[in-house]
Amino acid sequence: DAGVIQSPRHEVTEMGQEVTLRCKPISGHDYLFWYRQTMMRGLELLIYFNNNVPIDDSGMPEDRFSAKMPNASFSTLKIQPSEPRDSAVYFCASSLGRTGGLGEKLFFGSGTQLSVL
Amino acid sequence: AQSVTQPDIHITVSEGASLELRCNYSYGATPYLFWYVQSPGQGLQLLLKYFSGDTLVQGIKGFEAEFKRSQSSFNLRKPSVHWSDAAEYFCAVTGGSYIPTFGRGTSLIVHP
Repeated sequence: DAGVIQSPRHEVTEMGQEVTLRCKPISGHDYLFWYRQTMMRGLELLIYFNNNVPIDDSGMPEDRFSAKMPNASFSTLKIQPSEPRDSAVYFCASSLGRTGGLGEKLFFGSGTQLSVL
Repeated sequence: AQSVTQPDIHITVSEGASLELRCNYSYGATPYLFWYVQSPGQGLQLLLKYFSGDTLVQGIKGFEAEFKRSQSSFNLRKPSVHWSDAAEYFCAVTGGSYIPTFGRGTSLIVHP
């Protein structure tokens, strides 16, 4: 099992550019989560999907952020246009069922370090 | 709504010393509680979890945690710390939504 795969590992871009982060969850997992980690705010849940359907996007900071999950093996988080305050580490995580319900845990990818200049 | 507080931003211990990382949660009913560890440049990895039953939970890498309902706490402990334990540690709680809320994390520094 390759685990949750995120790409790219590092992304450096200029303000105003579009940024797309990618995630491949563990096969068979039906929940996918996008988190953002910063020194100021810690680990924040941005959005999560169940069976490819977005369930709660209340954590998405603003309309510049969008996320899609076109199939069970792929998700994207897009920022357009990007701003310096978007600089953070973005994590994707997947789980088999709801955490806590049946004992499932979150499996995290290694994250994407985004720097917006 | 559920919440988690990790009161210590940094903890420094000497190798071989015992460790306790604090976690306090807020949730009206019985919570599900987790500790995760994040090594530099990596995602979070589950150390242990509590759902019900025995309030002392054993995890990987020699860690344990104790659920104390009266204190709304779920502190992480290890009797003897190794240099490789240096990392960021996150406590998390799930409530009715079953979606975990994470604490701000505690950075563990291990001195030789």
